[in-house]
Amino acid sequence: GAVVSQHPSWVICKSGTSVKIECRSLDFQATTMFWYRQFPKQSLMLMATSNEGSKATYEQGVEKDKFLINHASLTLSTLTVTSAHPEDSSFYICSARVFGTQNQPQHFGDGTRLSIL
Amino acid sequence: RKEVEQDPGPFNVPEGATVAFNCTYSNSASQSFFWYRQDCRKEPKLLMSVYSSGNEDGRFTAQLNRASQYISLLIRDSKLSDSATYLCVVNFFSGGYNKLIFGAGTRLAVHP
Repeated sequence: GAVVSQHPSWVICKSGTSVKIECRSLDFQATTMFWYRQFPKQSLMLMATSNEGSKATYEQGVEKDKFLINHASLTLSTLTVTSAHPEDSSFYICSARVFGTQNQPQHFGDGTRLSIL
Repeated sequence: RKEVEQDPGPFNVPEGATVAFNCTYSNSASQSFFWYRQDCRKEPKLLMSVYSSGNEDGRFTAQLNRASQYISLLIRDSKLSDSATYLCVVNFFSGGYNKLIFGAGTRLAVHP
């Protein structure tokens, strides 16, 4: 149980393109989803927290107009990297949590590797 | 100071060895603690939660010292398949949400 699916797993595109990444909870309702970014040999960095039906909360230094997050249903959150540039190339990972499990481990998607040429 | 600090390693050990990883965290209000394992170019996978009384899962033992804000992971009888990066993860309440803060990870390489 507690499976989180992320799509696509790999994206290569030209600079200036907008890229949408989907995160789905397959067998549970995720009231909260988290988006992380990981550069090579670095830690996962939390970008934003999204609750279903409300605006995402972004971490300091993360541009909300650059990284658009939509969490329209209890099973789907999307991250759109707008006008992507090479410096946005990274490993993006989502995770999900059920309401009331704040101190429990989160369930991670299998990540999206984004390469901007 | 980083919120979660780990020795980056790498730890190069032979099969069968015992290896220990340490981690310190800065936020005394942290509520829960975990060790995750991350293989190269993959997502993190939960290895085990860490409880104040210490806990064991097979060859893996985790310890937590809240007073010292210190977490450890001990791996006994290392296997080749244990080669990975081990992430120390702390959960605390901030800005209205519970958040996971990841350490940068400790790399383990087990060789024959």
